[in-house]
Amino acid sequence: DQQVKQNSPSLSVQEGRISILNCDYTNSMFDYFLWYKKYPAEGPTFLISISSIKDKNEDGRFTVFLNKSAKHLSLHIVPSQPGDSAVYFCAAYSGAGSYQLTFGKGTKLSVIP
Amino acid sequence: DTEVTQTPKHLVMGMTNKKSLKCEQHMGHRAMYWYKQKAKKPPELMFVYSYEKLSINESVPSRFSPECPNSSLLNLHLHALQPEDSALYLCASSQHGTREHEQYFGPGTRLTVT
Repeated sequence: DQQVKQNSPSLSVQEGRISILNCDYTNSMFDYFLWYKKYPAEGPTFLISISSIKDKNEDGRFTVFLNKSAKHLSLHIVPSQPGDSAVYFCAAYSGAGSYQLTFGKGTKLSVIP
Repeated sequence: DTEVTQTPKHLVMGMTNKKSLKCEQHMGHRAMYWYKQKAKKPPELMFVYSYEKLSINESVPSRFSPECPNSSLLNLHLHALQPEDSALYLCASSQHGTREHEQYFGPGTRLTVT
């Protein structure tokens, strides 16, 4: 059973507008949530993380929101740039010493100039 | 510096060959990971080393043999692979402690088994 779900396989956004990528999870014991960006034929690049005790974390153009009651998180990218076009993976961390990252299947973001 | 390096970038090997993938990081991270990623799928964890000791083996076939010679290096030895083992092999590392969840990935080795 998938514990981390990204229900939108793709998303297209106009340059300069906001991109919102969504992720749902089922395991309420996850400690941290992370977002990774991946270009083709490259490894995932860590973008931003959020602790399960927080509801928002911001880093430059990237903001992650966590709604624990809904078991939902989202990544906002403002403003979107063509270089943001990539696959975005949501991941959840099971807790200290577990080393386990559970990934969603990814959402392909296309930012149109 | 958040760089994890991997060599080679591409590897083509026959089913009877023996080859090795290499990974290096100089961030002082004491946890290192091997992942396998197939096209259009998320990365799948294979092995975890913590303080140079194997902590997790996710039921990976014995034709994959990991090795951690020191705190900066991680190898994956390959022998008698099958065509279905063709994939992108990713190495990652992380700190221990409060930032343990932040895993930094290398660029990967694209492996093709013929």
